[in-house]
Amino acid sequence: DAGVTQSPTHLIKTRGQQVTLRCSPKSGHDTVSWYQQALGQGPQFIFQYYEEEERQRGNFPDRFSGHQFPNYSSELNVNALLLGDSALYLCASSWDRSATGYTFGSGTRLTVV
Amino acid sequence: AQSVTQLDSQVPVFEEAPVELRCNYSSSVSVYLFWYVQYPNQGLQLLLKYLSGSTLVKGINGFEAEFNKSQTSFHLRKPSVHISDTAEYFCAVSTMNRDDKIIFGKGTRLHILP
Repeated sequence: DAGVTQSPTHLIKTRGQQVTLRCSPKSGHDTVSWYQQALGQGPQFIFQYYEEEERQRGNFPDRFSGHQFPNYSSELNVNALLLGDSALYLCASSWDRSATGYTFGSGTRLTVV
Repeated sequence: AQSVTQLDSQVPVFEEAPVELRCNYSSSVSVYLFWYVQYPNQGLQLLLKYLSGSTLVKGINGFEAEFNKSQTSFHLRKPSVHISDTAEYFCAVSTMNRDDKIIFGKGTRLHILP
């Protein structure tokens, strides 16, 4: 039974560029949440997708956007990259928006130079 | 709004010694509480969670935590640590409302000394 799959595992981008990160949820899960984890910090909530809609959003600018597909997979898009966007981006999946059973992927390490 | 405070950023402990990682939370409503572990270059793995019922929660790898509502704490303990326990540990909280998100503390690095 596959867990949460994220791609790519590592990525290097230049300031001002745009990036797309991908997440496939655990089998049976229909909700995807995205987190940003800066070096030495705890994960910060970006947004959550359920039924192909953004249900909640954390304190992140509009440069951060997302999408959920009918098969429940999700993308995180970041426009106009800043050096401060360098971080580990974690995807978590759950069933029916429940916070009691998050399963996390291994993350995508984004470096902005 | 909910918040989580992990009182120690780093905890050094000798191998086979006991350890306690401290966590306090703030919330005006009832909460779920979690401990996650993050090994180097990996994602987060759930160690244990408190949803309701017994305040003593047992998790994987010999860890346990106790929910103390009066002190708003959820400290993590292990009676004897191993070198393989070297990792970052995150305490987290969520309300019981559907749609709510999990909020994480800043983490405690457990450093096992030989």
